Amino acid sequence: GQNIDQPTEMTATEGAIVQINCTYQTSGFNGLFWYQQHAGEAPTFLSYNVLDGLEEKGRFSSFLSRSKGYSYLLLKELQMKDSASYLCAVRNDNAGNMLTFGGGTRLMVKP
Amino acid sequence: DSGVTQTPKHLITATGQRVTLRCSPRSGDLSVYWYQQSLDQGLQFLIQYYNGEERAKGNILERFSAQQFPDLHSELNLSSLELGDSALYFCASSPTGTSEAFFGQGTRLTVV
Repeated sequence: GQNIDQPTEMTATEGAIVQINCTYQTSGFNGLFWYQQHAGEAPTFLSYNVLDGLEEKGRFSSFLSRSKGYSYLLLKELQMKDSASYLCAVRNDNAGNMLTFGGGTRLMVKP
Repeated sequence: DSGVTQTPKHLITATGQRVTLRCSPRSGDLSVYWYQQSLDQGLQFLIQYYNGEERAKGNILERFSAQQFPDLHSELNLSSLELGDSALYFCASSPTGTSEAFFGQGTRLTVV
């Protein structure tokens, strides 16, 4: 089976930096994804890591350590519109490349 | 717009009934995923199809079934509906089973 853990909620200030952590346990790891989801809307793809290291994409960066089963999403220069849920998802090639999501971290950005 | 189309957007039905949710993947995408998201809950994986064949199965109830047609659109059938089946149902597609998945806007199902 798979187990994906993220904090349930986080709060940060506009203009600041926030790091959202994700730990996972899975066999057949084949990539980790981060998605953003505003309430009642579809998740939108943010980043993808399959090798160890940091992937940077504008204000968002994502890090992966496969040996530790650990990833984080880093959001810089926070804006009010970044208030959303951030979903960590792991692909498992032992299960037909099934994409399994964690429960999500609800981020609230305050002025 | 992700390019994934789901219909209907909203559906209200009574307990015991059966409904069909439809998904048209992005042009050229072979893989389709179905997820259920209850209020304030995470995305629960239901089932995945790749080029017409079932590829992976999650915690999908026996009352639920799905299929992917030759034109690659997919349908999720929910039968003997219960109040607890009320949720957002998302479809996602990807070009292969290993790339990122793009989500449709979802179907909000309300069982009364």
